Amino acid sequence: GDSVTQMEGPVTLSEEAFLTINCTYTATGYPSLFWYVQYPGEGLQLLLKATKADDKGSNKGFEATYRKETTSFHLEKGSVQVSDSAVYFCALARGVLSAGNKLTFGGGTRVLVKP
Amino acid sequence: SQTIHQWPATLVQPVGSPLSLECTVEGTSNPNLYWYRQAAGRGLQLLFYSVGIGQISSEVPQNLSASRPQDRQFILSSKKLLLSDSGFYLCAWSHPGLAGRPNEQFFGPGTRLTVL
Repeated sequence: GDSVTQMEGPVTLSEEAFLTINCTYTATGYPSLFWYVQYPGEGLQLLLKATKADDKGSNKGFEATYRKETTSFHLEKGSVQVSDSAVYFCALARGVLSAGNKLTFGGGTRVLVKP
Repeated sequence: SQTIHQWPATLVQPVGSPLSLECTVEGTSNPNLYWYRQAAGRGLQLLFYSVGIGQISSEVPQNLSASRPQDRQFILSSKKLLLSDSGFYLCAWSHPGLAGRPNEQFFGPGTRLTVL
């Protein structure tokens, strides 16, 4: 079955440091890939997405590139801020209509940015 | 624009009491709807999803149930809560999408349930 593996956190960084969160997946076909962010006490927000190989999703200074050859979708940001402290979830979807377009989530990575 | 609402925001219930959590979506029609649970410090567990009125698919066996009485309303219920039902419950919606071309899901603010 489909699966998503993320690096375990917490990841603790200083402000303006470079952030990378690794995400690899297992799925048949060509899934769409997503990164969601969850701030404390809130629901999940879509951060970025990519729908085909070599696509780069970007938003709010975050980037991730869909690498089919390595089945990866690593999240990066060049200079983090305290406000980036959150839990980040990698997810995939294969668009199986009979299964309600379900998402398969990774376990989440908690990021803490210190001033 | 589309919005998703959940209520209540927080709930404290005794073991054995009933539960009803509500989720409504505005600004779209015929959405797919989802219920997730997030235990403290853990990932997301999909509980139920629905692709239409009255249609519910269950992902895990449990003492919870879901209903979709209207196109944009999704309800999570229990007749008797267990301690293990405590957690953060998230509702989400998505456009139905096309085969092989999935759409992203949009999440509500969540309900924090504590069962004592």
